[in-house]
Amino acid sequence: KAGVTQTPRYLIKTRGQQVTLSCSPISGHRSVSWYQQTPGQGLQFLFEYFSETQRNKGNFPGRFSGRQFSNSRSEMNVSTLELGDSALYLCASRYLAGGPNEQFFGPGTRLTVL
Amino acid sequence: DQQVKQNSPSLSVQEGRISILNCDYTNSMFDYFLWYKKYPAEGPTFLISISSIKDKNEDGRFTVFLNKSAKHLSLHIVPSQPGDSAVYFCAASDPAQGGSEKLVFGKGTKLTVNP
Repeated sequence: KAGVTQTPRYLIKTRGQQVTLSCSPISGHRSVSWYQQTPGQGLQFLFEYFSETQRNKGNFPGRFSGRQFSNSRSEMNVSTLELGDSALYLCASRYLAGGPNEQFFGPGTRLTVL
Repeated sequence: DQQVKQNSPSLSVQEGRISILNCDYTNSMFDYFLWYKKYPAEGPTFLISISSIKDKNEDGRFTVFLNKSAKHLSLHIVPSQPGDSAVYFCAASDPAQGGSEKLVFGKGTKLTVNP
């Protein structure tokens, strides 16, 4: 079974631009979460989607948004990029939306904002 | 306010010895704990988990211990192998309304296993 895939793997943008990152979950997984990893803050939860609905959101500004499609693929968008948005963005999928169960991570998209 | 803390940024052990990675948490609502391993340029890989109703879970060379009264968990790797060298993240599941959950991560401990 293929793992979580993320595209693109690397991205360079300039301040003020916007960016869209894509995530394809493991087949059969309907829950997709996004995390931001930076050296200073570590891994921080952005949001979770299940059945095309955002179910939970972390403490990030409204410039960070996402969506999920009917095939469970998800995208996240960051508008008006700032230097501090440079980070590794990780997508994770899991089978169930309720109850504790493991999240499986993709390789991430490395975003650099110049 | 860091709810999950890994106080040791790094740990170095000899091959064949035991590696013990520690994690403390502050939120008593956490109901599930996980350990992930991360190599450079890769996403975190799930290692082992434990429910808050248990105090120990074992999977091969990996054992996780949970002490709820102390809000402390640890990951034991026995015997340690050079391929175990990676950054290890402790994570806690924070249940939210509607069945959603988010993982709250510690900042990681870099384990180096020397041959």
